[in-house]
Amino acid sequence: DVVMTQSPLSLPVTLGQPASISCRSSQGLVYSDGNTYLNWFQQRPGQSPRRLIYKVSNRDSGVPDRFSGSGSGTDFTLKISRVEAEDVGIYYCMQGTHWPFTFGPGTKVDL
Amino acid sequence: QVQLVESGGGLVKPGGSLRLSCAASGFTFSDHYMTWIRQAPGRGLEWISYIGPSGTGTVYADSVKGRFTVSRDNAKNSLYLQMDSLRAEDTAVYYCTRNPRLADYWGQGTLVCVSS
Repeated sequence: DVVMTQSPLSLPVTLGQPASISCRSSQGLVYSDGNTYLNWFQQRPGQSPRRLIYKVSNRDSGVPDRFSGSGSGTDFTLKISRVEAEDVGIYYCMQGTHWPFTFGPGTKVDL
Repeated sequence: QVQLVESGGGLVKPGGSLRLSCAASGFTFSDHYMTWIRQAPGRGLEWISYIGPSGTGTVYADSVKGRFTVSRDNAKNSLYLQMDSLRAEDTAVYYCTRNPRLADYWGQGTLVCVSS
């Protein structure tokens, strides 16, 4: 199975300041169709996960533009340009290239 | 708008069975792969299974293979997960999601608790 690792696992943040989460995969994530199925999810306390970013860098509709994704190969990054209070939660990366698809362990973002 | 609503969770004894349902709306259900993902209490996320648009092409994680069966009824816009031979480690919130590689929409989840 492809192992997804995230760092840090806990990220204290300051309102208005930037934040960054790293995600690494144990194998490359380029699928045979040429796409890289690396997605990012946010899970707020008591809620189900919500997708923020798909295929590395595509922001979902309704996701604030302070969120951005980047990376290639086995190294990927989620950045928040200016943290807001509603950004508190757990962030997961997920690979959808190799079955079984796998998630990272999550990064807890807290004020 | 896309909505996925899970139901059928509850408390069951080890070795027992449970059938989860997911009612889909707001999109053409029969056009999409559908999936089940679970999250054990205080734990991360684990893929369980997915099924092709016509009901063929089912895939399972090793942890549930031979015990769980995914199915769908496109006429009812519904996805199902039959869970047999349940174990304590199957205790989790079970989510229905759309599009395995992209997981673009999630339901609110239904809690399954396996305990004697």
